[in-house]
Amino acid sequence: GQQVMQIPQYQHVQEGEDFTTYCNSSTTLSNIQWYKQRPGGHPVFLIQLVKSGEVKKQKRLTFQFGEAKKNSSLHITATQTTDVGTYFCAGHDYKLSFGAGTTVTVRA
Amino acid sequence: EAQVTQNPRYLITVTGKKLTVTCSQNMNHEYMSWYRQDPGLGLRQIYYSMNVEVTDKGDVPEGYKVSRKEKRNFPLILESPSPNQTSLYFCASSQTGLYTEAFFGQGTRLTVV
Repeated sequence: GQQVMQIPQYQHVQEGEDFTTYCNSSTTLSNIQWYKQRPGGHPVFLIQLVKSGEVKKQKRLTFQFGEAKKNSSLHITATQTTDVGTYFCAGHDYKLSFGAGTTVTVRA
Repeated sequence: EAQVTQNPRYLITVTGKKLTVTCSQNMNHEYMSWYRQDPGLGLRQIYYSMNVEVTDKGDVPEGYKVSRKEKRNFPLILESPSPNQTSLYFCASSQTGLYTEAFFGQGTRLTVV
């Protein structure tokens, strides 16, 4: 069955630095979604990518969908304390499957 | 306000005592699902429903039941809870299952002793 894997599991970042989290699927995906969960909160939708090679930006966040539609990445520039939380990717083939998430902590 | 409401938020129970976690959405969404979240494992789908009276198993359905008698409600039932069902549970809904964003409830932290 479909498996979505995310790396790294943890990301400790100095405030102001950039980082990237990666999402890989064992199967070709119809689309991929990204969610953010703040500590103690619930997942909140960030963005959806549908097309092969698609790139979307939200302020300091850049999301990319791979050409083969089997991988995706989230790049955050100039990390801020508000970026703390766990970022999940979720891929669709016949159902929505979530990765294990990347938990981000920020050193001020 | 568009929302998914889960109750209770916190629950401590004993092994074998049946319980129900309720979930209700006010967005007229067709698709609803239940997830459990455990450290290092992310969100794993328990059951999902594509519409009224249509439910199907997710990745970890053992020990759980669901029903979808009305569009807005999707309760999660644990007939005989066990300690390995201690977890954080989320209900989610979306307009359809594909290509639409999922809205999550606030979560229910369940402890089975």
